[in-house]
Amino acid sequence: LAKTTQPISMDSYEGQEVNITCSHNNIATNDYITWYQQFPSQGPRFIIQGYKTKVTNEVASLFIPADRKSSTLSLPRVSLSDTAVYYCLVGDTASKLTFGTGTRLQVTL
Amino acid sequence: GAVVSQHPSRVICKSGTSVKIECRSLDFQATTMFWYRQFPKQSLMLMATSNEGSKATYEQGVEKDKFLINHASLTLSTLTVTSAHPEDSSFYICSAYAGGNTGELFFGEGSRLTVL
Repeated sequence: LAKTTQPISMDSYEGQEVNITCSHNNIATNDYITWYQQFPSQGPRFIIQGYKTKVTNEVASLFIPADRKSSTLSLPRVSLSDTAVYYCLVGDTASKLTFGTGTRLQVTL
Repeated sequence: GAVVSQHPSRVICKSGTSVKIECRSLDFQATTMFWYRQFPKQSLMLMATSNEGSKATYEQGVEKDKFLINHASLTLSTLTVTSAHPEDSSFYICSAYAGGNTGELFFGEGSRLTVL
């Protein structure tokens, strides 16, 4: 199972772009990289998923270098409501996904 | 996206009683579901993998007789906390694959168990 490493916490002001990087040095060929967001007392919610290069959706972008040993979640112009814990998971349907520590993002005015 | 629903969202019980938590995939069939528990300010800890029609696979350190998992259909998995004690109080979350090969999981809303 690919282990992930993320910063424990990050702080940002509202309106700024936030980049959270996740290291996954032993990622396997079939593994996808998926980011989830979790608010207190709620289940995690899917944000974005990618395999390589760059992926963008309406809420975030995901940058994956060629070696795939890391990935960066980019949140453009964060707001107070983006305060949450963000988890990076690596795997495919053949593997059970385990959660790392996650990154606790605090957005303030 | 796919929807996974948990019930109940909150439950309070007396020590020694058993509590059942349901996890349903509402718009897809899930051959595999996962159960996690989460303590305050901590990450999700995988408890077991629930496979439809077969016995669940428990993670090391998780008592299978304490946490009974049943996955009787492709849309329902249940977790029963037997003879609950205050230390079992936690946030329990289920998830399921909606198919495909990308490993995307859909999570339930979570169930907060408080044992008095």
